[in-house]
Amino acid sequence: ETGVTQTPRHLVMGMTNKKSLKCEQHLGHNAMYWYKQSAKKPLELMFVYNFKEQTENNSVPSRFSPECPNSSHLFLHLHTLQPEDSALYLCASSHEQGPLHFGNGTRLTVT
Amino acid sequence: GEDVEQSLFLSVREGDSSVINCTYTDSSSTYLYWYKQEPGAGLQLLTYIFSNMDMKQDQRLTVLLNKKDKHLSLRIADTQTGDSAIYFCAERSSPANTGTASKLTFGTGTRLQVTL
Repeated sequence: ETGVTQTPRHLVMGMTNKKSLKCEQHLGHNAMYWYKQSAKKPLELMFVYNFKEQTENNSVPSRFSPECPNSSHLFLHLHTLQPEDSALYLCASSHEQGPLHFGNGTRLTVT
Repeated sequence: GEDVEQSLFLSVREGDSSVINCTYTDSSSTYLYWYKQEPGAGLQLLTYIFSNMDMKQDQRLTVLLNKKDKHLSLRIADTQTGDSAIYFCAERSSPANTGTASKLTFGTGTRLQVTL
């Protein structure tokens, strides 16, 4: 039990599909993050939300669309992905300047 | 931009001490973190140190910070097979404004293999 829950754990999708990743935190944090983890590369910060407002978009392609309806929930909507988008997508949360707490990730495979 | 570097692999025998090293470039780093990632899981926060400290101990874990050389290390005493994982170093820069979220820069991770 990490306090940050991600669903689904695994997702296989075709390049024309539309799917969404969900993240929920039960830690009372106000900031939420999406990271991409690919093999042999450092973690890549994708998006940051603070008090539901997007404060960072790290040059992420528009085929990734985040949504943060409240401080406890974060979504990543996916459409027309490419095979190179296959990776582990990690959600995290924190108090404003505190350490990040991660979920277990969604393993995404794009076929 | 900021950069954090770690060696890719470390192998130790069970019972020995492990030392995982990390260097970073950002002189305005305020906090430095160590995370552990086991197979199929996310990153678990192990420990962290504030930049005005040079050492922090927490049970089997000892963190050493040399701010002058921008060098951070994690020592695991009496390493066990359950310590086998990937260990990530991360640094947080001083925020430009108050009320902003944390921005961490991560290294590529060090895979620790514990042998019997």
